[in-house]
Amino acid sequence: DGGITQSPKYLFRKEGQNVTLSCEQNLNHDAMYWYRQDPGQGLRLIYYSQIVNDFQKGDIAEGYSVSREKKESFPLTVTSAQKNPTAFYLCASTMAGNSGNTIYFGEGSWLTVV
Amino acid sequence: KNEVEQSPQNLTAQEGEFITINCSYSVGISALHWLQQHPGGGIVSLFMLSSGKKKHGRLIATINIQEKHSSLHITASHPRDSAVYICAVRSSRDDKIIFGKGTRLHILP
Repeated sequence: DGGITQSPKYLFRKEGQNVTLSCEQNLNHDAMYWYRQDPGQGLRLIYYSQIVNDFQKGDIAEGYSVSREKKESFPLTVTSAQKNPTAFYLCASTMAGNSGNTIYFGEGSWLTVV
Repeated sequence: KNEVEQSPQNLTAQEGEFITINCSYSVGISALHWLQQHPGGGIVSLFMLSSGKKKHGRLIATINIQEKHSSLHITASHPRDSAVYICAVRSSRDDKIIFGKGTRLHILP
């Protein structure tokens, strides 16, 4: 079955360490997105990519980095520069272009900095 | 001002009540999505709309493109409908998907 797989689901990180969250999809989607959600808050866009080897910053990109070397993979690195990284991270994908395609979501990753 | 505004933020109702959640947006869109998020964090897509109205079971979603407004209705609400309902739009300008802050719905038995 096609879908998006995010891993790990739960992750603890020490302050000062970088951590990478994985997002893989086998839906042949062009566009992939990373969002952050804080308790009681909405989803905020970190980075998005519409094509391989290209990505754009979202509203809260500082302290994060991404890569899009393969169409099916869009990993997110939370760097030590991110001041408050404890949050729920969600990956999404859809077909690119101005079309009304269904958005698919991963199950999310809970990151806690200790 | 957020580009996608939802109301109400929180809603508590009795089982069986008719529920309406509203979404207004200020950007040009190619589609609007209604999503459901459960406490574990997982998100499920309920509807994708570019015009008119869609129905699935007890859920109905409508959109008015001219007024930049959409509504999600739940008929004969049930405690299992308790979740956060999120409106998201796909920007026609830059293909970003922009989310509302969500409406936390609690249906009492």
